[in-house]
Amino acid sequence: QVQLVQSGTEVKKPGASVRVSCKTSGYTFSSYGISWVRQAPGQGLEWLGWISVYNGDTHYAQKFQGRVTLTTYAPTTTGFMELRSLRSDDTAVYYCARGGYSSPFDYWGQGTRVTVSS
Amino acid sequence: EIVMTQSPATLSVSPGERASLSCRASHSVSSNLAWYQHKPGQAPRLVVYDVSTRATGIPVRFSGSGSGTEFTLTISRLQSEDFAVYYCQQYDSRPPYTFGQGTKLEIK
Repeated sequence: QVQLVQSGTEVKKPGASVRVSCKTSGYTFSSYGISWVRQAPGQGLEWLGWISVYNGDTHYAQKFQGRVTLTTYAPTTTGFMELRSLRSDDTAVYYCARGGYSSPFDYWGQGTRVTVSS
Repeated sequence: EIVMTQSPATLSVSPGERASLSCRASHSVSSNLAWYQHKPGQAPRLVVYDVSTRATGIPVRFSGSGSGTEFTLTISRLQSEDFAVYYCQQYDSRPPYTFGQGTKLEIK
């Protein structure tokens, strides 16, 4: 069965970086893109970006341009999201999801809580 | 960028009744329109995709409709497990894959 399993809770100081992993299984890794979505406390879902596992193309939400980098590592079928220059308003639960580029987000990771606090 | 606007922000409905949630796109969207259900402490769950196709395991009481810029998610005969926040999203070939701000479906 399709599974996306994310890395654990992170606590970071303002200005630091965080890297969240998303280990996938149960499907052909290169056949689907991976998107990243976050939910800040009391807020809705916010799309951060998408990466094509097939050719490495990336698209980022304008709000995060220059601060976020999405990558994948095929040997371990894992996706990664790095967010830099963290601020307190980056405190959120971050999700990876399979989909994008005309595919719905049909499978999701369990979420990774990132807290940014001094 | 396509802006997705959902209404109402909160919808209060009694169990067994029907709920209709609306989603409007700022520009015409192809058929790449999805609805997600999100409960506290859980990952979002795909409910409907391609405007009207139910995702795997979704009960038949969920139905999606619409075209162009206006879309609706209808849940007939609400059950206790249906109360959650619902988001619409467009996932066309060109990002960004924007979400609406969500509709909270609560028990009346």
